[in-house]
Amino acid sequence: EAGVAQSPRYKIIEKRQSVAFWCNPISGHATLYWYQQILGQGPKLLIQFQNNGVVDDSQLPKDRFSAERLKGVDSTLKIQPAKLEDSAVYLCASSTTAGLHTDTQYFGPGTRLTVL
Amino acid sequence: DQQVKQNSPSLSVQEGRISILNCDYTNSMFDYFLWYKKYPAEGPTFLISISSIKDKNEDGRFTVFLNKSAKHLSLHIVPSQPGDSAVYFCAASAYNYGQNFVFGPGTRLSVLP
Repeated sequence: EAGVAQSPRYKIIEKRQSVAFWCNPISGHATLYWYQQILGQGPKLLIQFQNNGVVDDSQLPKDRFSAERLKGVDSTLKIQPAKLEDSAVYLCASSTTAGLHTDTQYFGPGTRLTVL
Repeated sequence: DQQVKQNSPSLSVQEGRISILNCDYTNSMFDYFLWYKKYPAEGPTFLISISSIKDKNEDGRFTVFLNKSAKHLSLHIVPSQPGDSAVYFCAASAYNYGQNFVFGPGTRLSVLP
C-alpha cells in the first residue's frame, strides 16, 4: 500500500513570497490533515478535512494560509505572503473514514520550508 | 500552554538495555494516547497506543504504561536496539476534540552499540 505522498520535499523562499505544498493521501482515506512542525516542537494541527469539507481550521492563520481539497483526494496548502516564522516542516497525514479520535494517522515525509 | 510535555529532550541508552521515555499531560479530558517514532527526513510513524480504560498495552518490545491519576505515561523499549534511535513523540486526543492529536515536543533516543 502506497503511503502519503508530499511534494516538494524542500523549499527555500524569501519572506513575502508565496509557496504551495501538495499532498496525496493513502488511497481510500477520507480524512486529511496538515500539520506544522517547528524545530524542537511537536507537530501542530493546522487544518483537517473530511472528504472535501473542512472539519477543523481553528489553528490555521487564515490571513496568510489557505488550504483546499478539491474532489476529496489531493490537497494543497498555500502560504501567501510567507514570514520568517513560517520556517518549519509541513506534514500531511491521512486516516480512514471512521472519524474517530482513536483513528491512527499516517504521515507523509513532510516539506521542509525555509524562509529567508 | 503545553498540554502534552516530554521533559527529556534526549536520552542515551546502551544496546540491549531498557529505554524509558516519559510523557506528562495536563488536560484530564484526554482519553487516548499514542506514541509516534520519527527518523530524520521521514514523517512520524505510529508505534503504539493506549486507551484511558487500560493502564498497560504491549506490542513486542514496546510497552506503554498509563497512570491516569498522575497524568503520566511512559514508553518502555526492551531490549533497545540501534535501529530504535529516533525522535519519539507522545500524542493525546479526547473524544470531544474530534480527531485532533496534541503532540509533545519529542524525545531524541540514541541507542549506543
